[in-house]
Amino acid sequence: NAGVTQTPKFQVLKTGQSMTLQCAQDMNHNSMYWYRQDPGMGLRLIYYSASEGTTDKGEVPNGYNVSRLNKREFSLRLESAAPSQTSVYFCASSEQGLTALHFGNGTRLTVT
Amino acid sequence: SQELEQSPQSLIVQEGKNLTINCTSSKTLYGLYWYKQKYGEGLIFLMMLQKGGEEKSHEKITAKLDEKKQQSSLHITASQPSHAGIYLCGADGGGATNKLIFGTGTLLAVQP
Repeated sequence: NAGVTQTPKFQVLKTGQSMTLQCAQDMNHNSMYWYRQDPGMGLRLIYYSASEGTTDKGEVPNGYNVSRLNKREFSLRLESAAPSQTSVYFCASSEQGLTALHFGNGTRLTVT
Repeated sequence: SQELEQSPQSLIVQEGKNLTINCTSSKTLYGLYWYKQKYGEGLIFLMMLQKGGEEKSHEKITAKLDEKKQQSSLHITASQPSHAGIYLCGADGGGATNKLIFGTGTLLAVQP
């Protein structure tokens, strides 16, 4: 059972470069989320998608865009990476809203 | 916005000892979720508490929700090395949308 799959697992970018983090879930979940995890800050919600076709901002959306491509996939794009976006990014999904979240193993991003 | 504070921030215990982790909310808790994270991995859902006074157990881990105090506690009995990791509490972020916010986490180390 794959669950939530994130790619890539590691990425190094230079300031100003762009990239897309991919996330796919195979559990037929309706809701999907992007979080970032930083030391001392815990997990902070970037964007979420309550259902296919909808996306909403979380706590820290600036500098990011998202696309809910279909029910399975939810991507996170950094248009112009900044050192402040160095973090571990987690994608999660849930059957509906605030039920148990299933997390991917994260993408470790470093922006130099 | 709602904030979750966890204590202690880190904890080192000898194998076999009991321990408690606390999560305090700045606002009334309508639902409290406990997750565990192993180093380099995503979060794993442990349990969810919704009603004041509710208590749930999973193996040697027991969680309680005290709505009046806007607190939840996670108690581990007879700790084992497999209990080591980061424990995070999460709560409904409020409003009309389904957003889960997290505390900053408690790092637990269990010494054999």
